Formats: sequence, structure tokens, C-alpha cells
Amino acid sequence: EVQLSESGGGLVQPGGSLRLSCAASGFTFSSYAMSWVRQAPGKGLEWVSVVSGSATNTYYADSVKGRFSISRDNSKNTLHLQINSLRVEDTAVYFCAKGPELGRFDFWGQGTLVTVSS
Amino acid sequence: QSVLTQPPSVSAAPGQKVTISCSGSSSNFGNNFVSWYQQFPGTVPKLLIYENNKRPSGIPDRFSGSKSGTSATLGITGLQTGDEADYYCGTWDSSLSAGVFGGGTKLTVL
Repeated sequence: EVQLSESGGGLVQPGGSLRLSCAASGFTFSSYAMSWVRQAPGKGLEWVSVVSGSATNTYYADSVKGRFSISRDNSKNTLHLQINSLRVEDTAVYFCAKGPELGRFDFWGQGTLVTVSS
Repeated sequence: QSVLTQPPSVSAAPGQKVTISCSGSSSNFGNNFVSWYQQFPGTVPKLLIYENNKRPSGIPDRFSGSKSGTSATLGITGLQTGDEADYYCGTWDSSLSAGVFGGGTKLTVL
């Protein structure tokens, strides 16, 4: 059974930093791209970033480029998102998701809430 | 402003059929498969349709998907009150090198 479990969210002041993690199990982690997708309160889904299975390639949404950094540790089946220079508009639930694989995100974690406020 | 365009809301009576549209462009729908997700309030998005028209195990055949050119459609037949949720289309955009989602459509079963 595929399981994804995020951690690391919390309340942070504008300009601050957080490191989110996602522990994966139930599949061959290194074989799949992994993404972060966020959802602001009452809003829709926003794709944030993806890292390829080998960690060779990374891509970011324009809204986070230069501030967020995605990485993975295939020896520990763990995905990370380092988020710096946080803004109020970064407040959201951050989901890790398996994929995209042929355009789909087939499994999602429960999400971790990041609140940016002074 | 989302890259993919969905109607904000749709509604229909129990037992009826509803369709939800998703409009994209050649850089996303042109070369990539479309997926659909169902999300109930306060819960995790769930994959509903993948590769334009395939259903994951456990998804009833009341749900269907199609894609034509730069548009995609989610169809739900035999509507139930339990289908009330937000529905999102998504895909990869080859020009942006980014995942993209529609803004979401809230389904109300009257």
C-alpha cells in the first residue's frame, strides 16, 4: 500500500524558512518523480515543484522559483521542500504527491499546513 | 488565474448526468494526458480519471473522461448526493515545464 506522510509545517513569520518532508513507502521510491502541490485556504490546487526519480531534474512554479528548493533522499525514501523567504501568500496546505506519471498524480499525502503570519 | 479553465460550479438533480469542462492549450493538452481529481472539503484530492479516460481501481463507471483537442470533459452519471465535491483537471505543460491544474469546479447535487 502506497503511503505518503508529510511533516514540517507550522507557523512562521514573513521572511522565514521551513523545511517540509514527505516519507514514502509502498512503492519503489527512486523510480518515480515526486511533486509538491499546495492549496491555500478556500482555494484550488497549485502545483509547486517536481523532482525526477534520480533527482537529476527539478522544476518549479514561477510563484516559488528562487525561494523554494526540492530534493529527495532515495536511500531514505524521503522527499523534501526547503521553503525560504516566506510570504503571507505562501500560506497553504502542502501535499506531497507521487508523480506526475503520464500527467497524473496518483497518490497524495495528508498534507502539512504552513501558515505565514506576523 | 489558472492555466486550465473550468467552470466554478455546476449543479444537477440526483440521478441526472452532469459534465464538467476543462479548457487548455496545445502546450498542455496537445501532448499530454489529462487527469481528474475529486476532493471533498477538508480531505486529500483523489485521482478519479487518468490518461484522459481511464479509471483507477475502485472508481465506479459512473465517472468518465474524454479529451478532444485542447479540451477535456468529466462526466458523472446517476448523480448521488455523495458526489458533491470539488473536481479538478490537471496535466503537465510542456512549454512551462510545470504541472498545471484547473481552478476547480464545485458540484452541487440539488
